[in-house]
Amino acid sequence: AQTVTQSQPEMSVQEAETVTLSCTYDTSESDYYLFWYKQPPSRQMILVIRQEAYKQQNATENRFSVNFQKAAKSFSLKISDSQLGDAAMYFCAYRRAGTGNQFYFGTGTSLTVIP
Amino acid sequence: KAGVTQTPRYLIKTRGQQVTLSCSPISGHRSVSWYQQTPGQGLQFLFEYFSETQRNKGNFPGRFSGRQFSNSRSEMNVSTLELGDSALYLCASSLGGQGDYGYTFGSGTRLTVV
Repeated sequence: AQTVTQSQPEMSVQEAETVTLSCTYDTSESDYYLFWYKQPPSRQMILVIRQEAYKQQNATENRFSVNFQKAAKSFSLKISDSQLGDAAMYFCAYRRAGTGNQFYFGTGTSLTVIP
Repeated sequence: KAGVTQTPRYLIKTRGQQVTLSCSPISGHRSVSWYQQTPGQGLQFLFEYFSETQRNKGNFPGRFSGRQFSNSRSEMNVSTLELGDSALYLCASSLGGQGDYGYTFGSGTRLTVV
């Protein structure tokens, strides 16, 4: 079974600074997607960024970017210019390509933003 | 457009009872997936429905079941509740087609079993 590992249970960052959240995964598949989701206290899982495994270029969404290292099976999230609203639980997730496949989530990293 | 709606938001049940949770997907979405979130086990996949058919199932006992209606709304049922069933239950909807990765999650139902 696929596993997703987030080794940082908690992280903190000063407002306006940059922080990187780590994620590694294990799979024997070649075609898959990787995601970072944010879960604020409202409980809804909100998509932050996604990466298709076949794309070598790292995905970027405004202040959020990833460092995707396929050979190392590493998928880290960089948040630049951190804002108070970025404080939340962040989950790394893997999903095999194809229909009906489930997400495999990591255990999450709780991010605190210090004013 | 309206998001994924889960009802109720909170639920308290007694051990041994059964419970039904509801998920209304985004209009046009035909796939609904369910996940259980607990502090100890994290997020675990329960099942996925597409066009009223269960397309995938996680590793949960038969007490957990689900169904999907013709309007794509989905319900999940847990019978003979146990204390360990206390969790946040999240559903996610998507178009459900090949290559689709556009999943939208609801805000979940917080179930407490006492």
